[in-house]
Amino acid sequence: EAQVTQNPRYLITVTGKKLTVTCSQNMNHEYMSWYRQDPGLGLRQIYYSMNVEVTDKGDVPEGYKVSRKEKRNFPLILESPSPNQTSLYFCASSPTDRYIYEQYFGPGTRLTVT
Amino acid sequence: GQQVMQIPQYQHVQEGEDFTTYCNSSTTLSNIQWYKQRPGGHPVFLIQLVKSGEVKKQKRLTFQFGEAKKNSSLHITATQTTDVGTYFCAGKPSKTSYDKVIFGPGTSLSVIP
Repeated sequence: EAQVTQNPRYLITVTGKKLTVTCSQNMNHEYMSWYRQDPGLGLRQIYYSMNVEVTDKGDVPEGYKVSRKEKRNFPLILESPSPNQTSLYFCASSPTDRYIYEQYFGPGTRLTVT
Repeated sequence: GQQVMQIPQYQHVQEGEDFTTYCNSSTTLSNIQWYKQRPGGHPVFLIQLVKSGEVKKQKRLTFQFGEAKKNSSLHITATQTTDVGTYFCAGKPSKTSYDKVIFGPGTSLSVIP
């Protein structure tokens, strides 16, 4: 089944404790992206990647890191989480070799930083 | 900075009534996509519009892309309870990085049976 998976689905952590949220897709998509969703603000793009070793900042990259060492994986790293990073996070992937490049979203990771 | 706005933020309708959400960008867009997110779920792609003035239909849903490629709308005819959710537009700005995507804040639709 074609899908985007994220782990963990729920995470409660404390300020300053490094964490990684994994994202993996099995559709051989070149493009991958991370978003955070907050009430009233919709989805804001954090980072995106056009292909392996190619990443770029979205609108809200501060406090986040990403890497793209393999095509299928795109982990989101919070080196020193803070309470303002409490949010719902979505990973997404899409093809880039077709006319319509719809994004496929993972199930989401709900992160709480205390 | 570049912004994509949507109105209304919330809409409550009686089942069978029509519904429209509007999306407006501060800059020209190369294309616009629409997504639906059910409560507790993740966004799901509905459609992509590319051409100026383009109109596309999916059963009871009609999507339009403005002539100036800065605005778009989604119209649902005769809403049903299965239409409940938040509708997002997402645009790729023409004059910036090809790969950046900007989502609107969404319109949350409630349908009263």
